[in-house]
Amino acid sequence: AQSVAQPEDQVNVAEGNPLTVKCTYSVSGNPYLFWYVQYPNRGLQFLLKYITGDNLVKGSYGFEAEFNKSQTSFHLKKPSALVSDSALYFCAVRDVLSGNTPLVFGKGTRLSVIA
Amino acid sequence: GAVVSQHPSWVICKSGTSVKIECRSLDFQATTMFWYRQFPKQSLMLMATSNEGSKATYEQGVEKDKFLINHASLTLSTLTVTSAHPEDSSFYICSARKVGTTGELFFGEGSRLTVL
Repeated sequence: AQSVAQPEDQVNVAEGNPLTVKCTYSVSGNPYLFWYVQYPNRGLQFLLKYITGDNLVKGSYGFEAEFNKSQTSFHLKKPSALVSDSALYFCAVRDVLSGNTPLVFGKGTRLSVIA
Repeated sequence: GAVVSQHPSWVICKSGTSVKIECRSLDFQATTMFWYRQFPKQSLMLMATSNEGSKATYEQGVEKDKFLINHASLTLSTLTVTSAHPEDSSFYICSARKVGTTGELFFGEGSRLTVL
């Protein structure tokens, strides 16, 4: 079975400070990992993904995430937060060998960047 | 890019009526689309997997007669909420997977349904 845990419901950070949104996952095989962002009353926007290769993945809007196989984590990071980054962030996973199955999402972490 | 269009964005209907939500992949083909439901301040709940040309696969607890899904072409899936009731009020989001990709989903903008 596949699962994703986002241990924080809410993350608060001051504008200009680095931010981290945590995600850990569980799959039986190798993972495909994804981060999405959702603004109020909108659908989800794709930020970045890890498929293979470099553990540090760079994505949209200056976000990056680091795949750590030993810790089964895929934390989302940004060196300098903007107020406009305030949104709901979802981590998702899919087992490489799971065929055409949907992504499994975490429960989401609400990021608030304070000016 | 990969654009998924969802329509309508907002819909208000009377209890007992049916509402149809369309999900289109505008610039790619999607053999599989997924329908999610999102309650306020909660995560996404997968409702069903829609496969082009075949019956949808519903998740446990989702009434197939209540939420009718049709995937008639490689670019269009529809969700019809039949005989809607206030408890069906929610944010419905569709997503599509591009054929031949590694699995990321592209999402529509969502449809907020309010049943009076």
